[in-house]
Amino acid sequence: NAGVTQTPKFRVLKTGQSMTLLCAQDMNHEYMYWYRQDPGMGLRLIHYSVGEGTTAKGEVPDGYNVSRLKKQNFLLGLESAAPSQTSVYFCASSYSGETHTTEAFFGQGTRLTVV
Amino acid sequence: DAKTTQPNSMESNEEEPVHLPCNHSTISGTDYIHWYRQLPSQGPEYVIHGLTSNVNNRMASLAIAEDRKSSTLILHRATLRDAAVYYCIPGGTYKYIFGTGTRLKVLA
Repeated sequence: NAGVTQTPKFRVLKTGQSMTLLCAQDMNHEYMYWYRQDPGMGLRLIHYSVGEGTTAKGEVPDGYNVSRLKKQNFLLGLESAAPSQTSVYFCASSYSGETHTTEAFFGQGTRLTVV
Repeated sequence: DAKTTQPNSMESNEEEPVHLPCNHSTISGTDYIHWYRQLPSQGPEYVIHGLTSNVNNRMASLAIAEDRKSSTLILHRATLRDAAVYYCIPGGTYKYIFGTGTRLKVLA
């Protein structure tokens, strides 16, 4: 099983450019999440989805948009990148929202630098 | 969401047990306690979780205080591969809220 796959793994953007990060999972999970991790800090939740066609805001949603058109994919978009969005982005998925019966699986991360 | 307090860092000698503490005094009665770890340059990975009683799996043990306001992750024999940041995450919903965790250094 591939698990959770993030594309791309590295990217450098210029301020004002746009891009989309792709997260794909092959475990038939309902729930998917996007986090960012800044140096020396824990992960912060950007957006999440509880099922195909649904999305919701997390702790730090400003400057990002997401879409979940297919159950296996969760896309994170930056419409106009800013240096403050330089970070490592992690995608995760879980089978259900009941945390006592499930665990979250994380991708390997996308390292984004905005110059 | 319950607030957590973990030591910023800890050290252990290789092949010795490690006890990683976490305080979560505002935890609600239905929140499970989850532990994840993040190896260098990787995404977090699940370690263990529990509600009230102690839990064991192939990776670690989880000891939960009777009042549930604190818990301890126990690595029975630390190896160099266990060097990572360990996160304690109380929660009952699908939103995993990560703090800054404990950075474990394992000395050869």
